[in-house]
Amino acid sequence: GAGVSQTPSNKVTEKGKYVELRCDPISGHTALYWYRQSLGQGPEFLIYFQGTGAADDSGLPNDRFFAVRPEGSVSTLKIQRTERGDSAVYLCASSAGLNSPLHFGNGTRLTVT
Amino acid sequence: QKEVEQDPGPLSVPEGAIVSLNCTYSNSAFQYFMWYRQYSRKGPELLMYTYSSGNKEDGRFTAQVDKSSKYISLFIRDSQPSDSATYLCAMKAAGGGNKLTFGTGTQLKVEL
Repeated sequence: GAGVSQTPSNKVTEKGKYVELRCDPISGHTALYWYRQSLGQGPEFLIYFQGTGAADDSGLPNDRFFAVRPEGSVSTLKIQRTERGDSAVYLCASSAGLNSPLHFGNGTRLTVT
Repeated sequence: QKEVEQDPGPLSVPEGAIVSLNCTYSNSAFQYFMWYRQYSRKGPELLMYTYSSGNKEDGRFTAQVDKSSKYISLFIRDSQPSDSATYLCAMKAAGGGNKLTFGTGTQLKVEL
């Protein structure tokens, strides 16, 4: 079966632009997570959804970052007024339940020039 | 000081060696402990998942958790070149879903 799908795989944007990153979780997985991985670091939690609602967004670094999951499946991470420090790999993961193992996608590599 | 500390390596071993990877942590609320393997330009892949203290074995992999020392380990027996990757430890408290705290990862290279 298909795993977690993330598009685009690479995104290059100019400082100040707006970007959207998409995540398509494993079918039937109710929980969806966004993590960010900077070079040489482990992933850092950003936000997670249980169904359509954001259950915990405590990892979002500031109000330029926002994520939605309107129908409880696909999620979009939105970054406004991008900064060079936003450059990282943005990882999406899903799980069948709140404490079931996480399955990660291959990430979107964002470069802000 | 980070909540989870992990030696970034790189660690280079000959094929067939036993590899030991370790993490220490400071948050006594952590109850669930995981090891992920990450190949270059890929997402992390779950290898081992353990709850509380003790050992768990799966094929060539053994995970150990010592909560009293706040120390976890992953052992890889008969290491293969295909084991060359970055190994990430991760942990979480009870509740809160899969809000994981990761180590920085240890880069492992198994040489022929």
